[in-house]
Amino acid sequence: DAGVIQSPRHEVTEMGQEVTLRCKPISGHDYLFWYRQTMMRGLELLIYFNNNVPIDDSGMPEDRFSAKMPNASFSTLKIQPSEPRDSAVYFCASSPQLAGGPETQYFGPGTRLLVL
Amino acid sequence: KNQVEQSPQSLIILEGKNCTLQCNYTVSPFSNLRWYKQDTGRGPVSLTIMTFSENTKSNGRYTATLDADTKQSSLHITASQLSDSASYICVVPTTIDDKIIFGKGTRLHILP
Repeated sequence: DAGVIQSPRHEVTEMGQEVTLRCKPISGHDYLFWYRQTMMRGLELLIYFNNNVPIDDSGMPEDRFSAKMPNASFSTLKIQPSEPRDSAVYFCASSPQLAGGPETQYFGPGTRLLVL
Repeated sequence: KNQVEQSPQSLIILEGKNCTLQCNYTVSPFSNLRWYKQDTGRGPVSLTIMTFSENTKSNGRYTATLDADTKQSSLHITASQLSDSASYICVVPTTIDDKIIFGKGTRLHILP
């Protein structure tokens, strides 16, 4: 398996533009997570899905952020409109089971977003 | 409030030396604690996972300890190598609301 795949790896955009980040989880993993990482705030969980259904989106910072998972092999995180403070590395991770028991989340390589 | 605090924020040591990273948590109820290594520009990779009944767990030169009474964990790195330069993140999931609490990490720099 190629692991969790994210695209693009780098994104530079101007304030106000729409940004779409993509993720392909590991086949057979029922859980998919979106994280944001900055130097100031560390790693933050934004939202996670179970069997394509959003379970907890309490980490999504505001209405400008939205995430979808139309099928078991694809998810998107969209920011519209983007702002400079959204600049961060966005990670997607997948797991065969949920946190709360011994398990390992497999992280993708991340998308480095810079909003000018 | 569920929190995970890590110290030090950053650490610089010479190659070959040992070091210990600390993690204090207030997450309750406790299920397990995980240490991740994150290389620059890459996603975190799991090093160890410990349940409340485990006091110590090793993964090569990495040894994690857990004291569930004092709610403290440490990650000890023996005979450090240049490739150990990375961020080390302590993670504690909750069981009540299924949230994952992340520490801000310790940035470790190994100098030749």
